[in-house]
Amino acid sequence: AQSVTQLGSHVSVSEGALVLLRCNYSSSVPPYLFWYVQYPNQGLQLLLKYTTGATLVKGINGFEAEFKKSETSFHLTKPSAHMSDAAEYFCAVSDFNAGGTSYGKLTFGQGTILTVHP
Amino acid sequence: DVKVTQSSRYLVKRTGEKVFLECVQDMDHENMFWYRQDPGLGLRLIYFSYDVKMKEKGDIPEGYSVSREKKERFSLILESASTNQTSMYLCASNRVDNQPQHFGDGTRLSIL
Repeated sequence: AQSVTQLGSHVSVSEGALVLLRCNYSSSVPPYLFWYVQYPNQGLQLLLKYTTGATLVKGINGFEAEFKKSETSFHLTKPSAHMSDAAEYFCAVSDFNAGGTSYGKLTFGQGTILTVHP
Repeated sequence: DVKVTQSSRYLVKRTGEKVFLECVQDMDHENMFWYRQDPGLGLRLIYFSYDVKMKEKGDIPEGYSVSREKKERFSLILESASTNQTSMYLCASNRVDNQPQHFGDGTRLSIL
């Protein structure tokens, strides 16, 4: 079964500082990987995704993530944090059954709450 | 843009009531999902559906059932609501395996 570990349930940065949110996954097949953001009292919004091809993926709002197969990681970064980036971030991996079918299912990490200080 | 609409943002019900949460998507997606979200536990899959009238249990199906009579609509049913079902409920949909799920805004359900 697939699993996702997000290191750090809370991350705090200063405005303008680098944002680094860590995600490690386990998957028995080549994974599809996603990062989502959730603002208070809202649903999840897709930031970026990796399916195949280029391992450095650019997303919305200046975020990017790099798929590193050897490290089974998909860390999310942003060079300079803005106050508006304060939210909860979820990493997710495609969830395949023993027969290789996922029906679009995802396994989510526990989430990381990002706080941005002025 | 894909739109996933959940019928209520906030809902308050009493223990023992039968509760219906409705979700509609407008992009002809095959797959639909119901999650509950609790602090520190992330998103946990309750049920999903990959076609009309087809459903599969997720990780925490106990106390819940679902219905998918039309492709665009996926309903979550709490047969007899209990206080431990107080939570945020999120609906999502997607088309195929490598496509992201699109989420509704969630229903915050309180069972008193």
